[in-house]
Amino acid sequence: DTGVSQDPRHKITKRGQNVTFRCDPISEHNRLYWYRQTLGQGPEFLTYFQNEAQLEKSRLLSDRFSAERPKGSFSTLEIQRTEQGDSAMYLCASSLLVGTTDTQYFGPGTRLTVL
Amino acid sequence: AQKVTQAQTEISVVEKEDVTLDCVYETRDTTYYLFWYKQPPSGELVFLIRRNSFDEQNEISGRYSWNFQKSTSSFNFTITASQVVDSAVYFCALKIGNQFYFGTGTSLTVIP
Repeated sequence: DTGVSQDPRHKITKRGQNVTFRCDPISEHNRLYWYRQTLGQGPEFLTYFQNEAQLEKSRLLSDRFSAERPKGSFSTLEIQRTEQGDSAMYLCASSLLVGTTDTQYFGPGTRLTVL
Repeated sequence: AQKVTQAQTEISVVEKEDVTLDCVYETRDTTYYLFWYKQPPSGELVFLIRRNSFDEQNEISGRYSWNFQKSTSSFNFTITASQVVDSAVYFCALKIGNQFYFGTGTSLTVIP
């Protein structure tokens, strides 16, 4: 399978715990995006990387959230001191920037439930 | 301000009917891209189409067609002869620079 993969697919945690999600993009893609999606809503942009550089972060991304893409391949999204409001589907997408634009291909998501 | 509006929250059609999903966008930028994605019950967003702001040519791909009209800031999506497998949530998205803005989606149910 050469698509975007995410791990784990589901995570249940207690409020206050830290969680980390992983995303493996399509291998030749140089861009990687993180989104959050809540029920009945479209994906909301969180952050994106071009290669290993994190180029943009949304205001939605509080200090408790941190993302890395250390070698320009896989990425991790960590949420510290989780809150119930963090419960959502976290989506990863990758793309290949060609010229001035790119098309994102999404992974299956990690569904986070904070109790 | 950048914004994508999908006014139709839910649509139900009977199999073989045609259905149009509306998308209206707002931007002051002259260069932008528009996308449609399908999110089936399994949850994974599937890319359907990309259009840039300088290309208003309509596109047809099998039973799918897209009507891009800059004059009305719309990028509507029509499914001809709908099938049960078309049941999903469909998202319209706008890309400005390096940011993507998604609409709230239209849930389509095709009844056999």
